[in-house]
Amino acid sequence: QSALTQPASVSGSPGQSITISCTGTSSDVGGYNSVSWYQQHPGKAPKLMIYEVTNRPSGVYNRFSGSKSGNTASLTISGLQAEDEADYYCSSYTGTSTWVFGGGTKLTVL
Amino acid sequence: QVQLQESGPGLVKPSETLSLTCSVSGGSITDYYWSWIRQPPGKGLEWIAHIYYIGSTNSNPSLKSRVTLSADTSKNQFSLNLSSVTAADTAVYYCGRHTVAQGIHYWGQGTLVTVSS
Repeated sequence: QSALTQPASVSGSPGQSITISCTGTSSDVGGYNSVSWYQQHPGKAPKLMIYEVTNRPSGVYNRFSGSKSGNTASLTISGLQAEDEADYYCSSYTGTSTWVFGGGTKLTVL
Repeated sequence: QVQLQESGPGLVKPSETLSLTCSVSGGSITDYYWSWIRQPPGKGLEWIAHIYYIGSTNSNPSLKSRVTLSADTSKNQFSLNLSSVTAADTAVYYCGRHTVAQGIHYWGQGTLVTVSS
């Protein structure tokens, strides 16, 4: 069970859009519509931002959106704001009741 | 509102067993999946194991031989035992509630466990 692959860091200016990729295999990301995205600020527990590839929990701004193509899922944040600066993690179901996280991406708002 | 709270020793000696409990309020542990996730200092998240209803559990293959999960429905709690710990097991340990597909909607605040003599 290998971790999903994410870029170590991304950056953008306020108001811009950024996309974070999450690459797995046909046994996890590509095999199930069970990709989730989490936002984590320093010293805090992760917060669910996207589930089932494209769905937003109640209370999450619609500036956050998710998609998937093949074995790669993506999180897009539009209208970037200073408060979006955080670490972001993807996660996927891998079958047989196991899950895997990505290595995490540090988002810097310039 | 569902709330989760981890508890347990903050310091464990090498080769001993790490034991943590997650207390749940606002929902029954007989519903949903309940997982343990950890995060070593400065590193990423790692899914450890889950328990689904009583008796159905599974673990990360890399930790499977050292992980034991249990649940106490009378106290609405579930627990993690991780045996033969080393410094590499030093991490913030979180518990969380989820379904198969819908992600971890509810997280505990996390508890730091340090493995050191």
